[in-house]
This record gives sequence, C-alpha cells and structure tokens, in this order.
Amino acid sequence: GAVVSQHPSRVICKSGTSVKIECRSLDFQATTMFWYRQFPKQSLMLMATSNEGSKATYEQGVEKDKFLINHASLTLSTLTVTSAHPEDSSFYICSASRVAGGYTFGSGTRLTVV
Amino acid sequence: DAKTTQPPSMDCAEGRAANLPCNHSTISGNEYVYWYRQIHSQGPQYIIHGLKNNETNEMASLIITEDRKSSTLILPHATLRDTAVYYCIVSAAVYGGATNKLIFGTGTLLAVQP
Repeated sequence: GAVVSQHPSRVICKSGTSVKIECRSLDFQATTMFWYRQFPKQSLMLMATSNEGSKATYEQGVEKDKFLINHASLTLSTLTVTSAHPEDSSFYICSASRVAGGYTFGSGTRLTVV
Repeated sequence: DAKTTQPPSMDCAEGRAANLPCNHSTISGNEYVYWYRQIHSQGPQYIIHGLKNNETNEMASLIITEDRKSSTLILPHATLRDTAVYYCIVSAAVYGGATNKLIFGTGTLLAVQP
C-alpha cells in the first residue's frame, strides 16, 4: 500500500517551454504533498508544500511564478516548470503524506532543458 | 536547515550488520526520527521511524538513545542492494491531517562491499 506514482520519469524540453509533472497517490488520500528538487550529488531540497484546495507554500528562494503547483484533489498534485531554462534541469521528486501518518515518495522525474 | 548530523560515508562488508549513526541533539519532544534511503536516481524509500522506543521491522532496527539526542539504524545483514544514501530526518508528528515537512540533510552514503 501507500504508492505514489510520478509521471513522466524523464522529460527533455526546449528552453523557453513549460513542462508539467504529475504526482498521484494511488491507494490513499494525500492530505499534503511536497515537491523537492535534487541536483547531482546533492541532497533533496524542499521546494513547496501543498494542501488540497489551497495555495502552495513555497520555500524561501523558490519562485512561485516559475514553479506552479496545483493540488486539485486529494490524489493529484502537479508541478509545472514554466519557461524552463537549462539551469532548471534537475531531478524533481514529489512526496505525499496521509492523515494516518507517513510520507511516501514518487520515483522522481529527470528534467533536461536543452 | 536539517536538524541531524550524519557521517558522509561508510563501508560495510556484505552479510555483516551495517550500523548508521545519526545525531539529533536539538530534537523536540513531539518529533519523530525517520529514516529513508535513496538508491541512485530513484525516489527516497521509507525504512523505519520511531519516537522514543526502539523499533524493528522487516528492513531494519532503529535504536534511539534514552535522551533521544542520537539514534542508530541497523541493517542486520547488508547486501549489495543496500548500497544507497541513508537519510535521518526529524519531524513533528502528524495530527489530524496537519503535516510537517521533511527536511533532508546530506545523509550517509553506505557502500556495501562484496
């Protein structure tokens, strides 16, 4: 149980375009979802926290207009990287939490901007 | 900032127990100790968590000191597939849906040697 599906696993896009990443909790309702970014050989950095039906809370230094987060239902959150540039190339990971406790992570999305 | 301190790397012989230490001297009374691991280019995988009592599951054991300022994750019989970065995280409990974020530190790279 407690599976989080993240899609796509890999994406290559051209500079200036937008990319949407989906995160779904398959067998539980996620009260809160988190989005992380990870650069090579570094740890996970929390980008934002989102609760269903409300605006996401962004960590300091994360541009909310660039990284759009939508958490429209208890099982789906999306992260859209707008006007992507090569420096946005990274490994993006979502996580979902349950009312009963616990955090489950998606398998990650490798974004490459060319 | 992460509230934990871990050694950057450790080696362990295959078949032997791996003992991964974590210091969390500023832990609060309502904060749990979580352990996750990340195999290269994958999302973090939950291992175990605890509040103050020692815990054991099919993957590992968690030993928390009486003053809760440090803990040790024990993998009883390490295999090559246990090679990963292990993260020790402290985070407050979930209450009725309110969720606290997981802040990752730098973790310990465990290399299991054949």
